[in-house]
Amino acid sequence: AQKVTQAQTEISVVEKEDVTLDCVYETRDTTYYLFWYKQPPSGELVFLIRRNSFDEQNEISGRYSWNFQKSTSSFNFTITASQVVDSAVYFCALTILYYNAGNMLTFGGGTRLMVKP
Amino acid sequence: DGGITQSPKYLFRKEGQNVTLSCEQNLNHDAMYWYRQDPGQGLRLIYYSQIVNDFQKGDIAEGYSVSREKKESFPLTVTSAQKNPTAFYLCASSFRGTSHEQFFGPGTRLTVL
Repeated sequence: AQKVTQAQTEISVVEKEDVTLDCVYETRDTTYYLFWYKQPPSGELVFLIRRNSFDEQNEISGRYSWNFQKSTSSFNFTITASQVVDSAVYFCALTILYYNAGNMLTFGGGTRLMVKP
Repeated sequence: DGGITQSPKYLFRKEGQNVTLSCEQNLNHDAMYWYRQDPGQGLRLIYYSQIVNDFQKGDIAEGYSVSREKKESFPLTVTSAQKNPTAFYLCASSFRGTSHEQFFGPGTRLTVL
């Protein structure tokens, strides 16, 4: 079975601070995909990034960056110079390469990020 | 615009009544999913469907039923057998295959009185 743990349930920062959201996953499979989603107050989940288990390169997209480390089974998400609009719940999710079984995501419990002006 | 629509946004029902939540997508996705989200928790998979006329149970299917008669539609019925139906329900869709991200609808908040 797969498991995703987001130990930080809530984080509060002041605008322009950097913040890192942790994600630790468990799976016995060697081929898998990791995702990050953002859930703003409106409720709809917004896709941020996908990473496969064979690609450990870090990725940067504007103020967002992701650090994937297989050695520690972690896929952490950093927001640089946070803004009030970053306030949301962020979910980390995992899916394994399971032929014909569909893309079944296992979600972490989420981290609520509050950015104060 | 392409996307996923869920209706209604808020739904109130009396205990013991069945209720059907709508989910429609025009993204030409083959796969569709229903998740349940409880306050302060992550999403849990209820049902998913990879093709028309086929669907599988997720982790918490008891008390729910679905149908997939059209590619664009995947309605979820919350039956009276669901012991704690009050929750936020999210529908998603994707292309088939593990690597594809899921796109989510705006959700339906169901409150059973």
